[in-house]
Amino acid sequence: AQSVAQPEDQVNVAEGNPLTVKCTYSVSGNPYLFWYVQYPNRGLQFLLKYITGDNLVKGSYGFEAEFNKSQTSFHLKKPSALVSDSALYFCAVRDMNNNAGNMLTFGGGTRLMVKP
Amino acid sequence: DTGVSQNPRHKITKRGQNVTFRCDPISEHNRLYWYRQTLGQGPEFLTYFQNEAQLEKSRLLSDRFSAERPKGSFSTLEIQRTEQGDSAMYLCASSLVIGTKETQYFGPGTRLLVL
Repeated sequence: AQSVAQPEDQVNVAEGNPLTVKCTYSVSGNPYLFWYVQYPNRGLQFLLKYITGDNLVKGSYGFEAEFNKSQTSFHLKKPSALVSDSALYFCAVRDMNNNAGNMLTFGGGTRLMVKP
Repeated sequence: DTGVSQNPRHKITKRGQNVTFRCDPISEHNRLYWYRQTLGQGPEFLTYFQNEAQLEKSRLLSDRFSAERPKGSFSTLEIQRTEQGDSAMYLCASSLVIGTKETQYFGPGTRLLVL
């Protein structure tokens, strides 16, 4: 079984400050890891993914994420937050060895609030 | 717009009625997924297609739920005899699988309200 935990329901940060949104995962094999962002009444928008290679992955809109195998974490980061980054962020995992159709398992989401 | 599209965007229905949602994937994408998202939760996988073949449907919530992708392009998700607990956002995603690499791209969703 695969699972994802996002321990923070909400993260508050001031505009211009760095932000971190936490994610830990559990899979039986090697993980594919993803971050998606959701704006109100919209679908999920792909931000970035980790498959193999460098542990630091760069994605859209200045976001990056760091894969840490020993801590089974994939935290989302951005050096300088913008008010427009305020949204709901979802971490997702797929087990590379999962035979159940490459389904993504999502965390419960973290609401990011960036204040001016 | 070449992204995933879903229709309708909103659906209000009375308990016991049947509803059908449509998803048009990104052109050339060979996989299509359906997820359900309830308020305050992450999306939950329901089913997926590889071209026109439905390869996983054990996660459909009950036998009232069914999905088709008859020509390997658009897909429909039908819920029969709707219940209030079916109220949720239904998301469709598509992907182009190359080897083991895949990224799922999501549509805007259909929000269902069952009265």
